[in-house]
Amino acid sequence: GAVVSQHPSRVICKSGTSVKIECRSLDFQATTMFWYRQFPKQSLMLMATSNEGSKATYEQGVEKDKFLINHASLTLSTLTVTSAHPEDSSFYICSASSLAGRAYNEQFFGPGTRLTVL
Amino acid sequence: GQNIDQPTEMTATEGAIVQINCTYQTSGFNGLFWYQQHAGEAPTFLSYNVLDGLEEKGRFSSFLSRSKGYSYLLLKELQMKDSASYLCAVRGGSNDYKLSFGAGTTVTVRA
Repeated sequence: GAVVSQHPSRVICKSGTSVKIECRSLDFQATTMFWYRQFPKQSLMLMATSNEGSKATYEQGVEKDKFLINHASLTLSTLTVTSAHPEDSSFYICSASSLAGRAYNEQFFGPGTRLTVL
Repeated sequence: GQNIDQPTEMTATEGAIVQINCTYQTSGFNGLFWYQQHAGEAPTFLSYNVLDGLEEKGRFSSFLSRSKGYSYLLLKELQMKDSASYLCAVRGGSNDYKLSFGAGTTVTVRA
């Protein structure tokens, strides 16, 4: 399958700081990337959908000013958690798909980023 | 809205068979996916069904009945490494490839 990477894999930060998470499709061009959040023992909750070159579409209840998403190229999307608080501590996972080629008809998931806000 | 139900936990013995059921009520339907997720890791793709019937892939098979809003994942010849959470996900009728996930079924394989 297609390969998606995330960086960093783990981050610990102080309350009030901002954290940027990168999601890259390594061997295909991702027209769409998705950002999920997963709390312990719960399922994946979609936060937003981002298409290259356009504004992200956020799910209901997700603050777009707090979770900034940029999808500047066909291989890179970033999620910035601004003014992070302890309740933002979670496992953040991105996925990527494409209208054609290797990621057609599927979402390929990155390895996830464990965020801990102290 | 999307409503996807699957059992919370299942336990089985090594070498046995386990069937994980998933029922869904969604606005539109454009495919059902099963993913495996080990603790602390991202989900990995197992299977995809869009037409009724059984898809077999080695030890794993997945079944879909669209009229019943029902799918199952069958795991045969269970191995200890199959202990994981199994997520049922449905893609709705839009063209945006969005997936709605069930809460996941934690399968524990015992020796």
